[in-house]
Amino acid sequence: GQQVMQIPQYQHVQEGEDFTTYCNSSTTLSNIQWYKQRPGGHPVFLIQLVKSGEVKKQKRLTFQFGEAKKNSSLHITATQTTDVGTYFCAGGLLPGNTGKLIFGQGTTLQVKP
Amino acid sequence: SQTIHQWPATLVQPVGSPLSLECTVEGTSNPNLYWYRQAAGRGLQLLFYSVGIGQISSEVPQNLSASRPQDRQFILSSKKLLLSDSGFYLCAWDHYTEAFFGQGTRLTVV
Repeated sequence: GQQVMQIPQYQHVQEGEDFTTYCNSSTTLSNIQWYKQRPGGHPVFLIQLVKSGEVKKQKRLTFQFGEAKKNSSLHITATQTTDVGTYFCAGGLLPGNTGKLIFGQGTTLQVKP
Repeated sequence: SQTIHQWPATLVQPVGSPLSLECTVEGTSNPNLYWYRQAAGRGLQLLFYSVGIGQISSEVPQNLSASRPQDRQFILSSKKLLLSDSGFYLCAWDHYTEAFFGQGTRLTVV
């Protein structure tokens, strides 16, 4: 079946360092979405990318969608303690696959002050 | 505006007891509905997916079942809980765009 793989599973950084998480799909996606889950909370939508090669920025966060629409990355510049949490990518399947989202396993980010 | 309600927030149940978790969505019609389970420190495991009333797709074989008796109501059930059913259960909905999650139910089977 369709899979979305996300690496790394865990990442510990010093505050101020950069952080990147990568997402790879076994099939071409219609879109990719990113979510953040704070400890003890539920996932919250961050952004959606739809176009091949698309890049979007939200303050210190940069999201990329690969040219083949099979991979994506989230890069955080100069991490802060407020960035702590688990980041999930979720791939939207092409039409004909009912549009359901396939989530990656998440990358848990720890930031040391 | 759209909202999603999931309850209870916390549940402790003995092994062998039944389970019923309910999720309702407001402010939208004909949403896609999902039940996910998240083990401690792990990712989201998709359990059930529904595109409409009475239409349920089961993603993994397990001790659980789901039902959608109304357009905006999704219920997760079990006849007899196992220890391995413990986890954080999340209901979510989408309309082929971003997904919205409920607050989750932390289930501990003892």
